[in-house]
Amino acid sequence: DAGITQSPRHKVTETGTPVTLRCHQTENHRYMYWYRQDPGHGLRLIHYSYGVKDTDKGEVSDGYSVSRSKTEDFLLTLESATSSQTSVYFCAISGTFSSTDTQYFGPGTRLTVL
Amino acid sequence: AQSVTQPDIHITVSEGASLELRCNYSYGATPYLFWYVQSPGQGLQLLLKYFSGDTLVQGIKGFEAEFKRSQSSFNLRKPSVHWSDAAEYFCAVGARAGGTSYGKLTFGQGTILTVHP
Repeated sequence: DAGITQSPRHKVTETGTPVTLRCHQTENHRYMYWYRQDPGHGLRLIHYSYGVKDTDKGEVSDGYSVSRSKTEDFLLTLESATSSQTSVYFCAISGTFSSTDTQYFGPGTRLTVL
Repeated sequence: AQSVTQPDIHITVSEGASLELRCNYSYGATPYLFWYVQSPGQGLQLLLKYFSGDTLVQGIKGFEAEFKRSQSSFNLRKPSVHWSDAAEYFCAVGARAGGTSYGKLTFGQGTILTVHP
């Protein structure tokens, strides 16, 4: 299994509070991704990173920001959480930015916004 | 833009029975195709992938999938299901080089598999 950890694994928060989720990898992969998983929608890409300090938006980036100050860490921040952001969040990594490269997924973070 | 449809939200089979999970994609050319499995409380694990060549692809855990260009499908099959196969299965498509979606995966909605003893 790829060395990917996510923290916290579960979090309950209130509307309007800031939340930061962390993804940590030990594989030294250049590319990292944040997805959200919702029933009926599968996984949707929020943001991705192609190197330290290099990030770009995915298809559902509104309300989210990311940062990557080290190769091994990719942070997802909800500046002001809303109930629509209740979801399971997955981090993924890959060695190259290619549709042929396997993305390896972390265990997920279940976030509930009340 | 590429898209993936998994028509079956939930499938129930008996242990030992055969399984087929459906996946249809929309893409202008031959895409890269993937099947992932998610066991309860865990992340996604790659079962198999198709890039080119033989349209019947073998994966881990005894799964296989067949790419049918004429039907825009990439259905996942297993001849005999085990109770441990109960999980959620996701089909995904990746774009070929040259497009804005290159390097990004588009996932289907998922199919939940329940296995009865």
